[in-house]
This record gives sequence, C-alpha cells and structure tokens, in this order.
Amino acid sequence: EVQLLESGGGLVQPGGSLRLSCAASGFTFSNYAMSWVRQAPGKGLEWVSAISANGVSTYYVDSVKGRSTISRDNSKGTLYLQVNSLRADDTAVYHCAKIFGSGGYFPEYWGRGTLVIVSS
Amino acid sequence: EIEMTQSPATLSVSPGERATLSCRASQSVSTNLAWYQQKPGQAPRLLIYGASTRATGVPARFSGSGSGTEFTLTISSLQSEDFAVYYCQQYNNWPRAFGQGTKVEIK
Repeated sequence: EVQLLESGGGLVQPGGSLRLSCAASGFTFSNYAMSWVRQAPGKGLEWVSAISANGVSTYYVDSVKGRSTISRDNSKGTLYLQVNSLRADDTAVYHCAKIFGSGGYFPEYWGRGTLVIVSS
Repeated sequence: EIEMTQSPATLSVSPGERATLSCRASQSVSTNLAWYQQKPGQAPRLLIYGASTRATGVPARFSGSGSGTEFTLTISSLQSEDFAVYYCQQYNNWPRAFGQGTKVEIK
C-alpha cells in the first residue's frame, strides 16, 4: 500500500523559511517522479512543484519559483520542499503526491498534507 | 499558462440521479486531463486520467470524455459516498493546473 506522510509544517512569520518532508513507502520511490500540491484553507488545489525520479529535472509554479527548492533523497525514500521568503498567501495544506507511473506528470497517490501557516 | 475552468461551481443532485461536470481548458491539452475527488478532511483521489481512463478501483459509474479544450465527468447514478468536490487537472503543459472545483451536494 502506498503511503505518503508529510511533516515540517507549522506557524512561521512572514519572510521566514520552512523545509517540508514527505516519507514515502509501499512503492519503489526511486522509480517515480514526485510532486507537491497545496490547498489554501477552504480553497482549491494548486500545483506547486515536481521532480523527476532521478532528481535531475524540477518544475515550479511561478508564484514559488526562485524562492523554493524541491529535492529528494532516493536512499531514504523522502521528498523535500524548501520554501523561503514565506508570504501570507503561502498559507495552505501542502500535499505530497506520487506521480503516475507512465504517460504524464499527474498525481496518482496523495498524502493527507501538512499545514503551513504564515502569520505574524 | 493554461487556465482550467470548471462548471458549475456547485451541483445539487439527488441520490440515484446522474451528475454531469464540465471542465474547459484555455487552450488545447489533447487528452492529458485527469479528474480527482476530494472529501472533507481527506486527500484527493485520482478518478480518471487520459480524459477517459478510470484509475484502479474506481467504480464504473464514473466516466470521463472529451479532448482538446472541453471535458466532462459523468457520474451515472450518484451514491451517498460520491458527494464531494471534484477537480480537473491538465498535464499537457507546465505549470500543471487544476480547475477551481465543482462541489456535488445532496439535493
């Protein structure tokens, strides 16, 4: 069974930084691209970032580009998202997602997420 | 950047009835379109990919159709567990984009 467990969220002041983690199990982590998708309270889904299976290729939405870094440690089965210069509109539940195996970068399995609140 | 627009925002349907949800892309995404279901407090669940292929374990009452810019998710006979929010997502271009969601509620 695929399991994705996010951690690292919390309350952070505007301008601060956070590193989110996602521990994956139930599949061969190093074979799959991974993604982060966020959801502001009461709002819809927003795709944030993705990374290829080998970590070489990364993709970002414009709103986080330049202040976020997605990375992975295939030896630990863990995905990361570093977000700097946090703003109020970064407040959201951040979901980790396993990308579908073949034919397209879209999430197949999702974690329940970790809540990030940016507030003074 | 591709924008995805879903309609209606809310759909009120009685159990056993048919529900039809629409998703429109601002430019062609071919059939690179997925549908997700999300219930309160839960992670989204993949329903449909490739515009019309059901994901593993998804009941046959869920079907997807369309290509290019116009897509439809149909739930043939709504069950109590189907009342949720549904999102479409294009994966033809970067950045990936979701629609704003359609809430299917009990009439």
